[in-house]
Amino acid sequence: EIVMTQSPATLSVSPGERATLSCRASQSVSSNLAWYQQKPGQAPRLLIYGASTRATGIPARFSGSGSGTEFTLTISSLQSEDFAVYYCQQYNNWPLFGPGTKVDIK
Amino acid sequence: QLQLQESGSGLVKPSQTLSLTCAVSGGSISSGGYSWSWIRQPPGKGLEWIGYIYHSGSTYYNPSLKSRLTISVDRSKNQFSLKLSSVTAADTAVYYCARAPFEYYFDYWGQGTLVTVSS
Repeated sequence: EIVMTQSPATLSVSPGERATLSCRASQSVSSNLAWYQQKPGQAPRLLIYGASTRATGIPARFSGSGSGTEFTLTISSLQSEDFAVYYCQQYNNWPLFGPGTKVDIK
Repeated sequence: QLQLQESGSGLVKPSQTLSLTCAVSGGSISSGGYSWSWIRQPPGKGLEWIGYIYHSGSTYYNPSLKSRLTISVDRSKNQFSLKLSSVTAADTAVYYCARAPFEYYFDYWGQGTLVTVSS
């Protein structure tokens, strides 16, 4: 059974700074990895799929990389609207989400 | 623009059956190449995929919930439904419906509906 982990649990960043979020799978999921952003009281929003492809309408400051077991979501210059919880999800077999990383204001 | 909207009982008694429906608008549930899922999120916690269905009626369930779960589709009403039996307080969560290309990532989500299990 695959286990997804994310680090750090909380990331404190100042607006305009770069944020780097990590997601790890306990076994290879190839590039079958998506990232979501969730704000309080809202449904998750798809940011990245295929490990590195931005979803429709997602700003270029969001980028994804990695394959196999190690993945990274980078937000190049944090805007006020980017403070949220970010989840990774593997879809190599049945869908499984990571526990999330909360990005808050430093 | 595709839209999904959950509806159903917001309060369910322990041991009873939770029932929710997801109405799809702006597109057809019978379009090939998509699965239709239920996902839940307990208050303050992370996301758990529950199961999905295709317009053909084929289903795949989270193994941890499979024994209590039924997902069905009504193509004439362009909607799909969730039934979860023998609920406990651990089933209290916001329940989302969502669409995925095949069984991949979730590109459209409903707004979510809170279901509380309590006597």
